[in-house]
Amino acid sequence: NAGVMQNPRHLVRRRGQEARLRCSPMKGHSHVYWYRQLPEEGLKFMVYLQKENIIDESGMPKERFSAEFPKEGPSILRIQQVVRGDSAAYFCASSPGLGDEARGYTFGSGTRLTVV
Amino acid sequence: AQSVTQLGSHVSVSEGALVLLRCNYSSSVPPYLFWYVQYPNQGLQLLLKYTTGATLVKGINGFEAEFKKSETSFHLTKPSAHMSDAAEYFCAVSERAGNNRKLIWGLGTSLAVNP
Repeated sequence: NAGVMQNPRHLVRRRGQEARLRCSPMKGHSHVYWYRQLPEEGLKFMVYLQKENIIDESGMPKERFSAEFPKEGPSILRIQQVVRGDSAAYFCASSPGLGDEARGYTFGSGTRLTVV
Repeated sequence: AQSVTQLGSHVSVSEGALVLLRCNYSSSVPPYLFWYVQYPNQGLQLLLKYTTGATLVKGINGFEAEFKKSETSFHLTKPSAHMSDAAEYFCAVSERAGNNRKLIWGLGTSLAVNP
């Protein structure tokens, strides 16, 4: 019974490259949340997705960032033209659905992005 | 809008001493409340949560927290600290209603346990 799987665990990109972060939710979970953890700033909500739908992207930077959760396959957080300020740990959490969050979200181990 | 305040970004205790990590929230209605622990370079693990019912909640690793509505607090305690408790602790809240149950986080408290 695998938990939330994120890959890669570590990702190094040069400035201007693209970063793709993947999140496979727990089996049976159809809701995915992405959070970013910046040094000295704590965890911040980025985007909330259900299968094929973006429910809330109010925490996403206006440019260069996008997310998707297709009908098949993992959720993808995509960062285009990365800059040093994008260096952070990105965490994905999944839940079965609305009303089930009382069980507690399940988090992946995160992807640590370093932009050089 | 909801917010979470964790008093003390760094807390240091001796092994065997009481651990008290403070969390206050701001919300128009009592939210769901969570404590997560993060060990270095690892993900977030749920320690405990309050949703409804008994206001004293017991979690893993001997931790517990009490929801006090009048004080809008959800402080985390452990009677006797162990070296393995050294980690970052995050308090978080989410709404009970609506279409988005995103977590709003405190800035975290780094717990050091001294021998």
